[in-house]
Amino acid sequence: DGGITQSPKYLFRKEGQNVTLSCEQNLNHDAMYWYRQDPGQGLRLIYYSQIVNDFQKGDIAEGYSVSREKKESFPLTVTSAQKNPTAFYLCASRAGGHSEQFFGPGTRLTVL
Amino acid sequence: AQSVSQHNHHVILSEAASLELGCNYSYGGTVNLFWYVQYPGQHLQLLLKYFSGDPLVKGIKGFEAEFIKSKFSFNLRKPSVQWSDTAEYFCAVNAMFSGGYNKLIFGAGTRLAVHP
Repeated sequence: DGGITQSPKYLFRKEGQNVTLSCEQNLNHDAMYWYRQDPGQGLRLIYYSQIVNDFQKGDIAEGYSVSREKKESFPLTVTSAQKNPTAFYLCASRAGGHSEQFFGPGTRLTVL
Repeated sequence: AQSVSQHNHHVILSEAASLELGCNYSYGGTVNLFWYVQYPGQHLQLLLKYFSGDPLVKGIKGFEAEFIKSKFSFNLRKPSVQWSDTAEYFCAVNAMFSGGYNKLIFGAGTRLAVHP
């Protein structure tokens, strides 16, 4: 069953701690994306990767980091430098060319 | 800067009413346009898309959208909504950048509540 998995579904962390959100896809897609969803603001792009070992900053990359060592995986680290990390995080992937993005179920991060 | 504007943040309708959600974008290049829907507790999923050709596109569950290039608009329509259409709807534009990179720019979303 092809798709995108994100884990965990809910994550709680103390302020000042780094936390890594997992995103895995078995769709054989080249491009992967991380978004942050906040009420009334839609989805804002954090980072994206068109191919393995390459990634680009999105619109709100400050306080976040990513890696793309494997085609299937695109983990996102929320660092202690991110001023307002509590949010719903969505991962997506795309095959390339004229195709849409497919989204994972999301991870809701709460920083206490 | 590229942007997507959705005119209504909250819409409340009764079942069988007609729906039109506005979407305007600001981008000078060739566009690919999308409407995504997020039902309560579910994944964001594609409702419909426009890449080229007929500007009136049909999607799932009876939804359609019309691309009007001169107005930079891609409004979503449904002639008769159902309670199950209660969800949040996002308009998005795929923008191309130098180096072959492209990214999706989303509107703020419209929350639709349909009452039986």
